[in-house]
Amino acid sequence: SAVISQKPSRDICQRGTSLTIQCQVDSQVTMMFWYRQQPGQSLTLIATANQGSEATYESGFVIDKFPISRPNLTFSTLTVSNMSPEDSSIYLCSVSGTGDIQYFGAGTRLSVL
Amino acid sequence: QKEVEQNSGPLSVPEGAIASLNCTYSDRVSQSFFWYRQYSGKSPELIMSIYSNGDKEDGRFTAQLNKASQYVSLLIRDSQPSDSATYLCAVNYSGGGADGLTFGKGTHLIIQP
Repeated sequence: SAVISQKPSRDICQRGTSLTIQCQVDSQVTMMFWYRQQPGQSLTLIATANQGSEATYESGFVIDKFPISRPNLTFSTLTVSNMSPEDSSIYLCSVSGTGDIQYFGAGTRLSVL
Repeated sequence: QKEVEQNSGPLSVPEGAIASLNCTYSDRVSQSFFWYRQYSGKSPELIMSIYSNGDKEDGRFTAQLNKASQYVSLLIRDSQPSDSATYLCAVNYSGGGADGLTFGKGTHLIIQP
């Protein structure tokens, strides 16, 4: 399975600011995925990032709020823009391996004050 | 609407007994099914994947899939206190690795020593 590194591991941010989360994989992958896990909840897919094309967003998530970059086959970023306390969550990136199995990074724990 | 349903629990099982976790999904064309384990404050880790009807065994874990009933389960034999965690059922509705996973809300499992 791939080794996935996420940065930062946690952050505390002020309302109205933006945070960019980085995800680095130790091998080239076609698809990368971003999920959100709100407190006490399960994972919800935000978007799918394919290198060289625009990210595909799930219902309820928009590019202006969660812009994603995918500059190469080993790296992606997710920005949480104009944050509010409702954005306090764990944000996870994942990659797809053999048999559609997804492997997750350690996550970014975001608190918005 | 792609949905995955799980009983949130908590499910309390004595040490050494069999823990049985259940999951139903909404779309008959679903291709791939997964069980992830998530410890508090950690990211999900894959326990089992299953793709065809029947049972799949890996050590103390057995996954069971019944596509006609849209039902997937996970059995944990000889339950250990270290098995105490939240178990997430996940479904890939399209296959091919291009889509993300749809997760259930998770079942909180407690193994009582």
